[in-house]
Amino acid sequence: DGGITQSPKYLFRKEGQNVTLSCEQNLNHDAMYWYRQDPGQGLRLIYYSQIVNDFQKGDIAEGYSVSREKKESFPLTVTSAQKNPTAFYLCASSRTGGSNQPQHFGDGTRLSIL
Amino acid sequence: GQQVMQIPQYQHVQEGEDFTTYCNSSTTLSNIQWYKQRPGGHPVFLIQLVKSGEVKKQKRLTFQFGEAKKNSSLHITATQTTDVGTYFCAGNDFNKFYFGSGTKLNVKP
Repeated sequence: DGGITQSPKYLFRKEGQNVTLSCEQNLNHDAMYWYRQDPGQGLRLIYYSQIVNDFQKGDIAEGYSVSREKKESFPLTVTSAQKNPTAFYLCASSRTGGSNQPQHFGDGTRLSIL
Repeated sequence: GQQVMQIPQYQHVQEGEDFTTYCNSSTTLSNIQWYKQRPGGHPVFLIQLVKSGEVKKQKRLTFQFGEAKKNSSLHITATQTTDVGTYFCAGNDFNKFYFGSGTKLNVKP
């Protein structure tokens, strides 16, 4: 089945530690996105990528980094500079980066601070 | 900056009652999408509206896009327990999506 796989499902981070969240898609989609969801809030865009080897900052990129070396993969690193990283992180993809494309979401990674 | 406001934040209804959630944008949108997120799950795309004044139906769900393309609504007729979840709108201003904060629907059997 085609889809988006996020791993791990739960992740714990120690203070001062960088952690990387994995996102893989086999939908052959060009565009990929990372969102952060806090309780009772909507989705806030962290980073997005419309093609391989290119990505753009979203609304809350500070303290995060990404790479897009392969079409299928868009990992997100939560750095120690992100002071409030506890949240639910969702990865999404769309066929192209166009504004009329629906986004397909993974099951998410829940990150907590130890 | 761009904002998409969604109300209400929560709605509790008795099974069989109707439900409506509203989205309002500060600027004109190129299109608006609606997503549903079940408890513990991820958002799932429901529909996209593009034209001014557009109305689309999916069984008991009716979606509307305002004439000015600044607001939208989702109406569920005769709710069922399977409708439980959070409904998000996502407005696109020709460049990026802006998700509303969502309306969490609880349906009491």
